[in-house]
Amino acid sequence: GESVGLHLPTLSVQEGDNSIINCAYSNSASDYFIWYKQESGKGPQFIIDIRSNMDKRQGQRVTVLLNKTVKHLSLQIAATQPGDSAVYFCAENPRGGTSYGKLTFGQGTILTVHP
Amino acid sequence: KAGVTQTPRYLIKTRGQQVTLSCSPISGHRSVSWYQQTPGQGLQFLFEYFSETQRNKGNFPGRFSGRQFSNSRSEMNVSTLELGDSALYLCASSMGQVSGGKNIQYFGAGTRLSVL
Repeated sequence: GESVGLHLPTLSVQEGDNSIINCAYSNSASDYFIWYKQESGKGPQFIIDIRSNMDKRQGQRVTVLLNKTVKHLSLQIAATQPGDSAVYFCAENPRGGTSYGKLTFGQGTILTVHP
Repeated sequence: KAGVTQTPRYLIKTRGQQVTLSCSPISGHRSVSWYQQTPGQGLQFLFEYFSETQRNKGNFPGRFSGRQFSNSRSEMNVSTLELGDSALYLCASSMGQVSGGKNIQYFGAGTRLSVL
């Protein structure tokens, strides 16, 4: 079936740098996207979300960009800190019906922040 | 507000046994979704329960089942365990209905199941 995939499995940055994590999705029917952060020994933690009627959304130090033309999603983290080191997942929720509780996840990107 | 609680955190079973995992959602949330996380397959959707009814189901064999109680707490059961069932099982809760085009799922810490 269709799935969400990530381009880069690992990303290493220096503290203070900006990080960009990318995600490609294939289901054109998806209308809602979420980024999660998972630290070792914990469950995924909600970071930010975006609906398909938007192309950009900002949070605290994070920005999500959505390009529906090329089915691409990115997460930008400003002034990356060691505490940002984790695995980052994008997830999609297909449109319509009662599929609200079903998320399709990408493979994940390991972000390592060096002090 | 308490988060999603999963018990137990760790479990060791042998092949052929069965196991039951428990999930208590965030207060007020009516939807509980279950996911399996493995290094090889990543995060895969198992099923979702909403108001005590299974609303969505992933591509897992019938050995994987679940239920939801009237207080929204959910259990999942795996019968006749196989080595490949070793994984982190995650539970997520949400309102279950789209609000403003969103339905954010909040995850518990998971139950780490090892099948020997």
